[in-house]
Amino acid sequence: ETGVTQSPTHLIKTRGQQVTLRCSSQSGHNTVSWYQQALGQGPQFIFQYYREEENGRGNFPPRFSGLQFPNYSSELNVNALELDDSALYLCASSLLAGAKNIQYFGAGTRLSVL
Amino acid sequence: AQTVTQSQPEMSVQEAETVTLSCTYDTSENNYYLFWYKQPPSRQMILVIRQEAYKQQNATENRFSVNFQKAAKSFSLKISDSQLGDTAMYFCAFMKHTGANSKLTFGKGITLSVRP
Repeated sequence: ETGVTQSPTHLIKTRGQQVTLRCSSQSGHNTVSWYQQALGQGPQFIFQYYREEENGRGNFPPRFSGLQFPNYSSELNVNALELDDSALYLCASSLLAGAKNIQYFGAGTRLSVL
Repeated sequence: AQTVTQSQPEMSVQEAETVTLSCTYDTSENNYYLFWYKQPPSRQMILVIRQEAYKQQNATENRFSVNFQKAAKSFSLKISDSQLGDTAMYFCAFMKHTGANSKLTFGKGITLSVRP
């Protein structure tokens, strides 16, 4: 177990709706990264939060947004859901610039958009 | 931009045998990290092994070892004495050696099946 927890585990939404996914980072970590993993593919980087500020963003539109809270937990929000947003969403926590630069992953949230 | 290529979509190995998973990458960076992650059906991505590019010595973790060829930009994973619990998807990943925006760039993964 990595100590990174995500909720919910599964979610079904319809096109056009909004969704919020949550992530609790491992104790002592100050950075959370979010990834989108389509079926049969490798994870794609969405964005990273470090001390409550966005610290880098991948090639995702602005309707993907996030937050990081003072306890370093994080949320991923997706507005105006599209069918292609159906995927496994993974969060990973780490200690930025810490030893080994290792990201520890949660088990993910499976989002289905109908 | 960095790219990671895993060209073998699937592999199969007999229990107790040895298997090697291939990975190549492209980058203009000189300092970086390379990782192998395992994703079993439970979905949780688990770190298998990590290599720092400035270290010439290949990393090892128990039954897992890598063959890191920096000039060839190749990073293969060798699993010795394969076990049924090794059945999973394996992803090769790259990270720049900077503190800011330490994102992982993943390959497409390879599905490994260990046969009893």
